[in-house]
Amino acid sequence: AQKITQTQPGMFVQEKEAVTLDCTYDTSDQSYGLFWYKQPSSGEMIFLIYQGSYDEQNATEGRYSLNFQKARKSANLVISASQLGDSAMYFCAKGGGSYIPTFGRGTSLIVHP
Amino acid sequence: DTGVSQNPRHKITKRGQNVTFRCDPISEHNRLYWYRQTLGQGPEFLTYFQNEAQLEKSRLLSDRFSAERPKGSFSTLEIQRTEQGDSAMYLCASSPAVEAFFGQGTRLTVV
Repeated sequence: AQKITQTQPGMFVQEKEAVTLDCTYDTSDQSYGLFWYKQPSSGEMIFLIYQGSYDEQNATEGRYSLNFQKARKSANLVISASQLGDSAMYFCAKGGGSYIPTFGRGTSLIVHP
Repeated sequence: DTGVSQNPRHKITKRGQNVTFRCDPISEHNRLYWYRQTLGQGPEFLTYFQNEAQLEKSRLLSDRFSAERPKGSFSTLEIQRTEQGDSAMYLCASSPAVEAFFGQGTRLTVV
């Protein structure tokens, strides 16, 4: 079974600072995708960013960037210039050939003013 | 709003009753997924449709669970003879190809 590991149950960051949320994965797939989702207290899963395994450049979407290290099987999310509204659960997910996302257990991020 | 819509948002049912949830995906998204999420956990995959065909089912989907997507548009998830362990958030997502877009979920409480 595919395994997605998020080792940080909780993270704290000061407003306006950058934070890195860790994600490692286990796979034997040649082609796959990596995703990050945000889940605020309202419960909705919000898609943030996607990285394909063959993409040579790290994905970026506004303040979000994905630090993809294929050989290490890691796909860390970097949030720059944190905002209070970034406080939420963050889930890393991997999709295989059929791109069905398999999720990690999540990291709770709290942004302090 | 043309996002993924799930109904109802909340459902409280007595143990042993049957419940049915509905998901309306983003139009023209041919992929549809159902997940279950319990407190403190990430979403767990239940089943996947491509158009009307149910292509994958998790071992989590016991024989009390059934899902359909009859015309390749909306989908339903039915749980028969509910148990307290079925209490969870049930999430639906749709996708045109790669990234999945989620609805707000149906929170089921079995009492």
